[in-house]
Amino acid sequence: EDQVTQSPEALRLQEGESSSLNCSYTVSGLRGLFWYRQDPGKGPEFLFTLYSAGEEKEKERLKATLTKKESFLHITAPKPEDSATYLCAVQIRSNDYKLSFGAGTTVTVRA
Amino acid sequence: NAGVTQTPKFRILKIGQSMTLQCTQDMNHNYMYWYRQDPGMGLKLIYYSVGAGITDKGEVPNGYNVSRSTTEDFPLRLELAAPSQTSVYFCASTLDREVIYEQYFGPGTRLTVT
Repeated sequence: EDQVTQSPEALRLQEGESSSLNCSYTVSGLRGLFWYRQDPGKGPEFLFTLYSAGEEKEKERLKATLTKKESFLHITAPKPEDSATYLCAVQIRSNDYKLSFGAGTTVTVRA
Repeated sequence: NAGVTQTPKFRILKIGQSMTLQCTQDMNHNYMYWYRQDPGMGLKLIYYSVGAGITDKGEVPNGYNVSRSTTEDFPLRLELAAPSQTSVYFCASTLDREVIYEQYFGPGTRLTVT
C-alpha cells in the first residue's frame, strides 16, 4: 500500500538554528512530491513540487530535496515566522488525480 | 481573484442533522476536491471532480455526497451527521493534471457534531 510518513511529528527550534524535516514515501511510481505549509486555522499553501531524484528547489530559507525514497525540507536560519505545520504529499502515476498526504511536521521557532 | 472560498467557517450540528458545505473557486479550474483533516492525521480525500457533471469517491466517502453542476461550485453534503464527522473540511482545486499539479486550498470549515 502506498504510504507517506513524515518525521519528526514536532520540531522546536531557536531562531537561527537550522534543521531538516523528512518525508519518506513508498509508492509504486512517483509522479511528483509536493511540500505545503499550513498555518493554524488556515488551508495548506503550496511551497514546492519535485519530480525526480536529485532535484532541488529553494524559496527564501527553505530548500527541498528529493531522493528515490524520501524528501527533505531544510530550514536554514529559521525565523519565528517560519513556525507552521509542513505537509508532504505525493502524486502517484496510477492515480494521478489525487495526492496522498503525510501527517505533517509542526515547526515552532522561538525568538 | 478570491481563489477558493468556503462557507461556513464554523458549524455545530446535532447528531442526525444534515448540512451542505459550500465551495467556490474563481480560477476556472477543472479539478476540485474535498478533504477532511483530523488532529495528527494527514488530509484524507472524500470526493473529487474532474469537471462539471463528473464526480468520484476518494478514500473516505461514506456519509457524504457531492454534486458539480458548474465549473465554479462543488458543494459537499452531509446526511445524518455523526460524531465521527467532526473534523476540519478543506476544499481544493487545480487547473489540469498535465500541468504543474499544485492544489489551491480554501480556508476550511470547522465542523463539530454533538
